[in-house]
Amino acid sequence: DAKTTQPPSMDCAEGRAANLPCNHSTISGNEYVYWYRQIHSQGPQYIIHGLKNNETNEMASLIITEDRKSSTLILPHATLRDTAVYYCIVPNNAGNMLTFGGGTRLMVKP
Amino acid sequence: NAGVTQTPKFQVLKTGQSMTLQCAQDMNHEYMSWYRQDPGMGLRLIHYSVGAGITDQGEVPNGYNVSRSTTEDFPLRLLSAAPSQTSVYFCASSYGRMNSGNTIYFGEGSWLTVV
Repeated sequence: DAKTTQPPSMDCAEGRAANLPCNHSTISGNEYVYWYRQIHSQGPQYIIHGLKNNETNEMASLIITEDRKSSTLILPHATLRDTAVYYCIVPNNAGNMLTFGGGTRLMVKP
Repeated sequence: NAGVTQTPKFQVLKTGQSMTLQCAQDMNHEYMSWYRQDPGMGLRLIHYSVGAGITDQGEVPNGYNVSRSTTEDFPLRLLSAAPSQTSVYFCASSYGRMNSGNTIYFGEGSWLTVV
């Protein structure tokens, strides 16, 4: 099962883009990368996921490197409500479990 | 959080009591699972189900039972509550396996305190 590594914390100015990196150097060719966030102790909120191509939805963009060893979640115009812990996750090989590591605590500041 | 409903939201139990956390989803998802989150930590998988009548253990199954009699419901039973089970519990569901690109949706959580 692939492991992920994220910086423990990041700051971002309100209105600027927040770029959250994730390293998943042991990922295999058919494993997806998922991003979730958790605000306080609410239920994890799905943001985006991808396999090989870059992905964009109404919340964020996901940039995956060509070798798939790392990815970056981009929140294009961060707001104070984006302050949360962001998790980069690669499901286990069986596809039945998400392993939540420490995540990145993003603080959006005025 | 689309369609995953957990009850109760808050519960206080005495050591040794039993209780059931309820989880229901209305998305016709085959996969359902229970996670627990201890303070300052990530979520850990307790039990999961890949369809009605099928359940399996996750990382931390001891002290918990599950059953899946319908597609919609996946209750989590604490047989004899212990203070170590004080945690926030999250139910989740997905259409299928996540290594096929399916999205997993989480409920809002159930806060359990065992005294």
